[in-house]
Amino acid sequence: GNSVTQMEGPVTLSEEAFLTINCTYTATGYPSLFWYVQYPGEGLQLLLKATKADDKGSNKGFEATYRKETTSFHLEKGSVQVSDSAVYFCALRRASQAGTALIFGKGTTLSVSS
Amino acid sequence: GAVVSQHPSWVICKSGTSVKIECRSLDFQATTMFWYRQFPKQSLMLMATSNEGSKATYEQGVEKDKFLINHASLTLSTLTVTSAHPEDSSFYICSASQPQHFGDGTRLSIL
Repeated sequence: GNSVTQMEGPVTLSEEAFLTINCTYTATGYPSLFWYVQYPGEGLQLLLKATKADDKGSNKGFEATYRKETTSFHLEKGSVQVSDSAVYFCALRRASQAGTALIFGKGTTLSVSS
Repeated sequence: GAVVSQHPSWVICKSGTSVKIECRSLDFQATTMFWYRQFPKQSLMLMATSNEGSKATYEQGVEKDKFLINHASLTLSTLTVTSAHPEDSSFYICSASQPQHFGDGTRLSIL
């Protein structure tokens, strides 16, 4: 079946540190991949996405590259800020069914201190 | 851009009451919406798929008589938690399918 595995948190970093949050997936076919961010007490916001192999999604300094050979979609940011503190979810959706629900990883909590 | 509005954002009620949560697509039509449940510090779990004009499709283990879903129009889906109990306390989030935008969620607390 389809599933998403994220590195367990919490991840604690100092401001301006480099961030990597690992995400690997299991899926049939070629899924679309997403990163969502959830700030405390709020809903989910789409951070970035990639729909095919070797695509790189990017937004607000965050990047993730769709790696089919390693079935990965790791999230990176070169210099984190305190305002990046949130929970980050990796998710997939089967490409053949655009109207289907997302399958989420368990989420990784990021805490950035000044 | 496309926006999904969810209401209420927070509700506290007594055990045994029923609670209705609304999910609206504000500037687009959503024939399909999804309802998720999120336990504290855990991921989102799909509860059901809501289809306009037809019965919802529930995920395994979700009680359809407990969580009533109605999708009577192209812009509104509702989730009613019937006879709520403390174990139903959770964060409920809806999303449209196309585009996949999420509401801000509803925090439900049953006393």
